Amino acid sequence: QQPVQSPQAVILREGEDAVINCSSSKALYSVHWYRQKHGEAPVFLMILLKGGEQKGHDKISASFNEKKQQSSLYLTASQLSYSGTYFCGTERTSYDKVIFGPGTSLSVIP
Amino acid sequence: NAGVTQTPKFQVLKTGQSMTLQCAQDMNHEYMSWYRQDPGMGLRLIHYSVGAGITDQGEVPNGYNVSRSTTEDFPLRLLSAAPSQTSVYFCASSVSGGTPQHFGDGTRLSIL
Repeated sequence: QQPVQSPQAVILREGEDAVINCSSSKALYSVHWYRQKHGEAPVFLMILLKGGEQKGHDKISASFNEKKQQSSLYLTASQLSYSGTYFCGTERTSYDKVIFGPGTSLSVIP
Repeated sequence: NAGVTQTPKFQVLKTGQSMTLQCAQDMNHEYMSWYRQDPGMGLRLIHYSVGAGITDQGEVPNGYNVSRSTTEDFPLRLLSAAPSQTSVYFCASSVSGGTPQHFGDGTRLSIL
C-alpha cells in the first residue's frame, strides 16, 4: 500500500525551513528518503529503522515514529541545491519490497 | 567505478515489439530492482532480485520478465510493448535488503 506524503508541493526562500511528512496505515519496519532532481535518477538520502530513531545528513534530518507509522524529513536553512522532489519509501518487514510515496516537490528560490 | 549502468538511455518502440532493457552493476551488490516512474506517480516496483538465480514480482509485474543469471546483470524484458508501458525505467542496487541505494541514470521508453 502506497504511503501518503504531505505536502504535495512547497516553495521556500533560501534559509527557510521545511518539513515533509510520510505516513502509512500499516505497521512499518523502515522508512527511506530520496531526493530526485528533474531529469535525473533518485538519490538515496537515509534509512530509518523502527525504534523511533532520528538521523541527520548535513542540514537534512529525519525522524521515524513507529507508533504513528509516520516519518518526517526536516530541511533546515534551505539552500538552492535542496530543490527537487522528495520521495519516501516504506518497508513493512526486513527484506520486503520498498513501496514509494507519490513525492513532494520542493522549490527553493533566492 | 561505473556504479549502475543502464542501456539504452532512450528508446522508441512500436506496439507489439519486444525489447530488453539492460542493467549492470559493478559493486557486487546482491539486491537489484527495476522501477518505472510515471509523471506524478513516484516509483513503482516491477521486479526485484535478492541474488543470482532468485527473482520476484513487485507491484506492477505484468508485461515484464526478468532473470538474474549473474550478480552483475539484471535485464528487464518487455514481451509485447503497449503504449501503457511508456515510462522512465530505473534499475537500482544495494548491498543487501530492500533499500535501493544506487540508481542507474534511467531508460526513457516511448511506445507508439
